[in-house]
Amino acid sequence: DGGITQSPKYLFRKEGQNVTLSCEQNLNHDAMYWYRQDPGQGLRLIYYSQIVNDFQKGDIAEGYSVSREKKESFPLTVTSAQKNPTAFYLCASRSRGQETQYFGPGTRLLVL
Amino acid sequence: AQSVTQLGSHVSVSEGALVLLRCNYSSSVPPYLFWYVQYPNQGLQLLLKYTTGATLVKGINGFEAEFKKSETSFHLTKPSAHMSDAAEYFCAVSNTGANSKLTFGKGITLSVRP
Repeated sequence: DGGITQSPKYLFRKEGQNVTLSCEQNLNHDAMYWYRQDPGQGLRLIYYSQIVNDFQKGDIAEGYSVSREKKESFPLTVTSAQKNPTAFYLCASRSRGQETQYFGPGTRLLVL
Repeated sequence: AQSVTQLGSHVSVSEGALVLLRCNYSSSVPPYLFWYVQYPNQGLQLLLKYTTGATLVKGINGFEAEFKKSETSFHLTKPSAHMSDAAEYFCAVSNTGANSKLTFGKGITLSVRP
C-alpha cells in the first residue's frame, strides 16, 4: 500500500538531547513537509523540501534541522536548542504539479 | 502573504442537525482552499478542496463547501451530523505554483451530542 509512515509514534526526549523523527513515503512524491501542531494553534510549518538535497526553512525552523538525501525520506532532528519541543509532529508529502498534501500519522514528542 | 481565520474553537451540534464550520481566508493571488479532518492522535485526512471551476465542492462523508470570492469564505457544511463526525477540522489555503505552501487555520473541534 502507498502511504506515509512516521516513526516512532511516541518519543521521549531528555533535556539537552537531540532526537530524530523519521518520515518515509512510497508515493513517489517530490515535495515533503514537516509541521508542528500545538493545541489551539493549528499546524505550523517547520521545514520543507521540493527536491532531493534541497530544503527550505518554514515559519518556525529554529531549533530544528532536516536532511533530504533520498526522495522517499525526510527526517527531522529536534535539537537541544529547541526549548519547548513537546508537540505533535506531522510529516506530509505532495506530488509535483498537484496541489494536495497528504499526511502521515504523526509522532508525539514528550520531554522527560 | 496568506492567512486563514476559523472563528471559534469549538462547535457542538445534535446528531442529525446541520453542521456549519466557518472559514475565511486572505490571499494575494487566487487561492487553493482545503478542509482537512483530524481524529484524536492521528494525521490529517483531506475532506475536500477547491482549485478552479465549480465553486460548490463536494467531499467525503457527506461534507461540502462553497468558495465565495466576494466574501473570501470557504465554509464547510453537512446537512445531518453523525456521531462519527466528531473530530477537529482545519481549513487551509495554498498559493499556487511549484513552491506552494499550506497555511492552516487554528482548527475547530466539532462535538456531536446524541
